Amino acid sequence: QKEVEQNSGPLSVPEGAIASLNCTYSDRGSQSFFWYRQYSGKSPELIMSIYSNGDKEDGRFTAQLNKASQYVSLLIRDSQPSDSATYLCAVIPPGSARQLTFGSGTQLTVLP
Amino acid sequence: EPEVTQTPSHQVTQMGQEVILRCVPISNHLYFYWYRQILGQKVEFLVSFYNNEISEKSEIFDDQFSVERPDGSNFTLKIRSTKLEDSAMYFCASSVGLSNTGELFFGDGSRLTVL
Repeated sequence: QKEVEQNSGPLSVPEGAIASLNCTYSDRGSQSFFWYRQYSGKSPELIMSIYSNGDKEDGRFTAQLNKASQYVSLLIRDSQPSDSATYLCAVIPPGSARQLTFGSGTQLTVLP
Repeated sequence: EPEVTQTPSHQVTQMGQEVILRCVPISNHLYFYWYRQILGQKVEFLVSFYNNEISEKSEIFDDQFSVERPDGSNFTLKIRSTKLEDSAMYFCASSVGLSNTGELFFGDGSRLTVL
């Protein structure tokens, strides 16, 4: 069964701190991993994609992938109140070309 | 900035009625999708569409659902006979092509309420 698991939170961090969001997935052969941000009542918005083990940085965001541990994380440096949202981990499982399986999301609150 | 547009933003319908949700994907994108999100739950894949045919569909996408690209710009989701459990936010999305699988651009969604 295809599962993507995230801590639902809420996760609260002070402004300027590092927020760390974690995700595990069940299908070992999964190759493509994504982080989406969803503000309340809005649509998901792509933040990062990662396909290889290791770290990938884009501005204040760093995605980390460890396929052996079936683990994906997202670090947000210098967190801002505008980063307050639900962060969705998404995976394309093996056997699928483009069917995203989403986690339930982690709600992040950045306190001013 | 190009965007995916969806209409209507909110539709209320009676159980058993047919509903058509419309989407205009980003113009140079080749792959189109429908996802749904029941209030408080996960975003769920319904269907992907490429070259005028369904490329993948989920178990949710049963015979009550259909998709169509009736012209060069619109992409529609039809629910033939709505049920209470079809109440959800329906998101249309598009992506450029094979090399960007999963890098989807979502529309703002159509909220469907079935009474």
